[in-house]
Amino acid sequence: ETGVTQSPTHLIKTRGQQVTLRCSSQSGHNTVSWYQQALGQGPQFIFQYYREEENGRGNFPPRFSGLQFPNYSSELNVNALELDDSALYLCASSDRGGPYEQYFGPGTRLTVT
Amino acid sequence: AQTVTQSQPEMSVQEAETVTLSCTYDTSESDYYLFWYKQPPSRQMILVIRQEAYKQQNATENRFSVNFQKAAKSFSLKISDSQLGDAAMYFCAYRSALNAGNNRKLIWGLGTSLAVNP
Repeated sequence: ETGVTQSPTHLIKTRGQQVTLRCSSQSGHNTVSWYQQALGQGPQFIFQYYREEENGRGNFPPRFSGLQFPNYSSELNVNALELDDSALYLCASSDRGGPYEQYFGPGTRLTVT
Repeated sequence: AQTVTQSQPEMSVQEAETVTLSCTYDTSESDYYLFWYKQPPSRQMILVIRQEAYKQQNATENRFSVNFQKAAKSFSLKISDSQLGDAAMYFCAYRSALNAGNNRKLIWGLGTSLAVNP
């Protein structure tokens, strides 16, 4: 069974730039959720994708957008990066039709300068 | 809106001893799930244990057990026979049992940093 993977591990961007983060879900999982974890904080829900459609969204502006592909992998895109976007971005996969636990990838550390 | 509170920013325990981490939550829902996740320095969030609100029996997973007090909205984690590898941030999280939209999200506390002393 393959776990959740994320790429890249670390990323440094400049304010105003755009970034794409990638996530491959665990084998057998059809739902992907994205969370932002600022330093010293708990994760905050960004959005969730199921069957290639956004299926719930947290309190994040539209410049945070995502995609889910037919193989259930997902991308998180952030436009017009701000300094406050610096955080650990976590991807979690789950099986909507089965157990409700979310399994997490190792995260992508994004630094905006 | 649901909230999760972890009132202990830091805890420490001697190796082989027992430690209890506290978590309280607020919700108007009657059916939900509660989780403890561990986040070591490697950053990967690892599921430690889960509890379904409709179950009265406290969940147990090897050295990890919970004390779930639904009326008090309390969900503490007990780690027995603590090991050096238990050192990490521990997060308590809540998920609604409703399966619509944002209800599937996890709501998190701020975490408790656990140090294990040899």
